[in-house]
Amino acid sequence: DSGVTQTPKHLITATGQRVTLRCSPRSGDLSVYWYQQSLDQGLQFLIQYYNGEERAKGNILERFSAQQFPDLHSELNLSSLELGDSALYFCASSGGTETDTQYFGPGTRLTVL
Amino acid sequence: GENVEQHPSTLSVQEGDSAVIKCTYSDSASNYFPWYKQELGKRPQLIIDIRSNVGEKKDQRIAVTLNKTAKHFSLHITETQPEDSAVYFCAASSTSSASKIIFGSGTRLSIRP
Repeated sequence: DSGVTQTPKHLITATGQRVTLRCSPRSGDLSVYWYQQSLDQGLQFLIQYYNGEERAKGNILERFSAQQFPDLHSELNLSSLELGDSALYFCASSGGTETDTQYFGPGTRLTVL
Repeated sequence: GENVEQHPSTLSVQEGDSAVIKCTYSDSASNYFPWYKQELGKRPQLIIDIRSNVGEKKDQRIAVTLNKTAKHFSLHITETQPEDSAVYFCAASSTSSASKIIFGSGTRLSIRP
């Protein structure tokens, strides 16, 4: 157990809908990262937050947004969902800098029908 | 932009033999290189990491070597066992102002009994 929690574990929804994925970092970690992993694919970095502020942006679609709250938990919002958005979404946390080890949560499996 | 290339994409070795996975990176400011192991349907887990101030690090059957001049680093697994079967990801990151961690595309390692 990495200490990073993600909810829900599974999510099934329809095209055009909007969902919210939630992540709680390890105690004491200030940075949260979001990744997308499609079937048999690598980890695509989406976005990073540090202590409530956006720090780095990767290949995140405009239909996707995220935020980190004062208690440091983070939410990833996915809207106007398409079939191709079906994937595993991982959250990771670290102490703060990019050279701190990232610890991954168990992931949320999103299925868009 | 920054890039991390990982080879091979698939690797099959006989149980007991060694496995080597190689990565090259493009950002010369990179100074932190973690390796993650991901079993099917599970979260990526850190197995070993190396920072730019050392050239080699070992932890039991796994070792990582780093060549900063050539900008490549490698994962070595000796005396492979069935439980080593998984997908392995390398990554590179730095503390530069535009930094974010970049993952390689992954290597699917299979251990033949």
